[in-house]
Amino acid sequence: ETGVTQTPRHLVMGMTNKKSLKCEQHLGHNAMYWYKQSAKKPLELMFVYNFKEQTENNSVPSRFSPECPNSSHLFLHLHTLQPEDSALYLCASSQAGTDDNEKLFFGSGTQLSVL
Amino acid sequence: KQEVTQIPAALSVPEGENLVLNCSFTDSAIYNLQWFRQDPGKGLTSLLLIQSSQREQTSGRLNASLDKSSGRSTLYIAASQPGDSATYLCAVHNAGNNRKLIWGLGTSLAVNP
Repeated sequence: ETGVTQTPRHLVMGMTNKKSLKCEQHLGHNAMYWYKQSAKKPLELMFVYNFKEQTENNSVPSRFSPECPNSSHLFLHLHTLQPEDSALYLCASSQAGTDDNEKLFFGSGTQLSVL
Repeated sequence: KQEVTQIPAALSVPEGENLVLNCSFTDSAIYNLQWFRQDPGKGLTSLLLIQSSQREQTSGRLNASLDKSSGRSTLYIAASQPGDSATYLCAVHNAGNNRKLIWGLGTSLAVNP
């Protein structure tokens, strides 16, 4: 148990559905991240939140909408996705500060299939 | 542009062998290099973090080395066990303007009983 919990573990959705992924961290960290992991590709950083403020958005399509209501919770709202969005979506947290040597703690991920 | 390469892509060994996983990167301006383990369909677990000023880190049967000048890191696993079977990913934390983690594709390891 890493202290980062993601739900659901698996999700199948049609292209017209709206769904949300949830992440909760119990580590007291101040930064949270969404990553996308597709087969045969390196991990792709999607969004970064520091102290609930979005500090990074790596040109992610608007059909992915993040929300960070507080430092412990992070959501990824999904709307009108495409089949190529099928992937493992990973949430991570860290204690970000002046030292760039902070470790990332990952959740178990949500395996998303878009039909 | 920083690129991270991991060789081999897959490795199958009998139980008990000592083995080495390789990670290379193209830009030596880094804060640190990290090794992670990923079990199938699951998240990543941080194994070792080597700061740019360090040469190696050890945790149990794992030893990671860093040679910044040559852009290389190795993860050494001693006396491998079937429970070590997983994908091992290397990530480099860039220094400078592009302060991101750059990831390799991983090495898929199978340790056979």
